[in-house]
Amino acid sequence: GAVVSQHPSWVICKSGTSVKIECRSLDFQATTMFWYRQFPKQSLMLMATSNEGSKATYEQGVEKDKFLINHASLTLSTLTVTSAHPEDSSFYICSASIGQGTTYEQYFGPGTRLTVT
Amino acid sequence: AQSVTQPDIHITVSEGASLELRCNYSYGATPYLFWYVQSPGQGLQLLLKYFSGDTLVQGIKGFEAEFKRSQSSFNLRKPSVHWSDAAEYFCAVGRGNKLSFGAGTTVTVRA
Repeated sequence: GAVVSQHPSWVICKSGTSVKIECRSLDFQATTMFWYRQFPKQSLMLMATSNEGSKATYEQGVEKDKFLINHASLTLSTLTVTSAHPEDSSFYICSASIGQGTTYEQYFGPGTRLTVT
Repeated sequence: AQSVTQPDIHITVSEGASLELRCNYSYGATPYLFWYVQSPGQGLQLLLKYFSGDTLVQGIKGFEAEFKRSQSSFNLRKPSVHWSDAAEYFCAVGRGNKLSFGAGTTVTVRA
């Protein structure tokens, strides 16, 4: 099956610094990738939709200047948390989609645990 | 607006017993419905999906789900659980190419 990887799997950074998270589709090309945020014991909240070669589309309430998304190739999307603060600590998950209509499916990465101190 | 409700936060089931996880959705059109499982250290894995047609859907790992339009439900079932089924389960509804997830149900399997 399709495999999506994320790097790093966990990261600790100091308040005020920036951190970049990578999401890669290993064995398929993904024109569209998604970034989610998951709080402990809660659901996945869609943050943004990342389309290769164009600007990301952010969900309402997500600060685009804080969460920079770049989708420079068909296999890589990056999420940069800028000027991170403790409230940005969370579990960030990416996914990549394949197919359309009845064949549509999203494949998920294992997630990145971000802790801001 | 669409929403997904998973009424059960945590379910404990004995190994070999049956399991049913509830999912209710609110959506104005014919929904695309999904069930995912999340295990520690692993990405969400698709168990099954419903787009149209037969309302009883078979998935991987012995899971099945039944779509009931009249009840706006898409409950997940497994006749006999294994210890490896202990995980977090998410129901999701699709709108266009986006997914909206329920809050999840944690399944604990006791020996």
